[in-house]
Amino acid sequence: EVQLVESGGGLVQPGGSLRLSCAVSGLKIDEYAMHWVRQAPGKGLEWVSRISWNGDNVGYADSVKGRFVISRDNVKNSLSLQMNSLSSEDTALYYCAKDMEWEGGGEGPFDYWGQGTLVTVSS
Amino acid sequence: QSALTQPASVSESPGQSVTISCTGPSSAFGTYNYVSWYRQYPGKAPQLLIYHVNNRPSGVSSRFSGSKSGSTASLTISGLQAEDEADYYCSSYTRVSNIVFGTGTKVTVL
Repeated sequence: EVQLVESGGGLVQPGGSLRLSCAVSGLKIDEYAMHWVRQAPGKGLEWVSRISWNGDNVGYADSVKGRFVISRDNVKNSLSLQMNSLSSEDTALYYCAKDMEWEGGGEGPFDYWGQGTLVTVSS
Repeated sequence: QSALTQPASVSESPGQSVTISCTGPSSAFGTYNYVSWYRQYPGKAPQLLIYHVNNRPSGVSSRFSGSKSGSTASLTISGLQAEDEADYYCSSYTRVSNIVFGTGTKVTVL
């Protein structure tokens, strides 16, 4: 069974930093792009970032560009998101998602999702 | 990276069909066919229903179908069932807009 398990969420003050992790089991992610998608409470989905299967290509939503950094460890079969300069607008449930395309560049779609980790930015 | 526009809600009786539209500028869809649809139940992670405009992953009911014309993509749910009550999101990728989701549509089965 494929499982994506996010961790690292929590309460952080505005301007603070947080590092999210996503541990994947049940399949090797080293040939698939990976993504982070977030959902603010009661709101819709927002794509945050992607990293290609080999890590050579990354992309960010304009709302997080320059503040968030995505990375992956194909040996540990995991994904990370370093979030800096956080604001209340970053408060959301953060999902890790696997790209469906083998050795794709990260255009989607997302065939496996984790259950999310909640990030709350508040003083 | 503006969100694609979907109707906030649609409702229909069991057994009927509903179509959810997903509209954006032509640049949101471009010449690519990277249009996907997801279903999300309350408190749960989204699930992929349709990819590449009109393809269903293994295990997804044939009651779900997708299409695209110009700057509008559509998801049709046929033979509506109580279990179809959920939120539905479209998504698209282009080199210009990257990956963008729709605003989401709540489907209510009357």
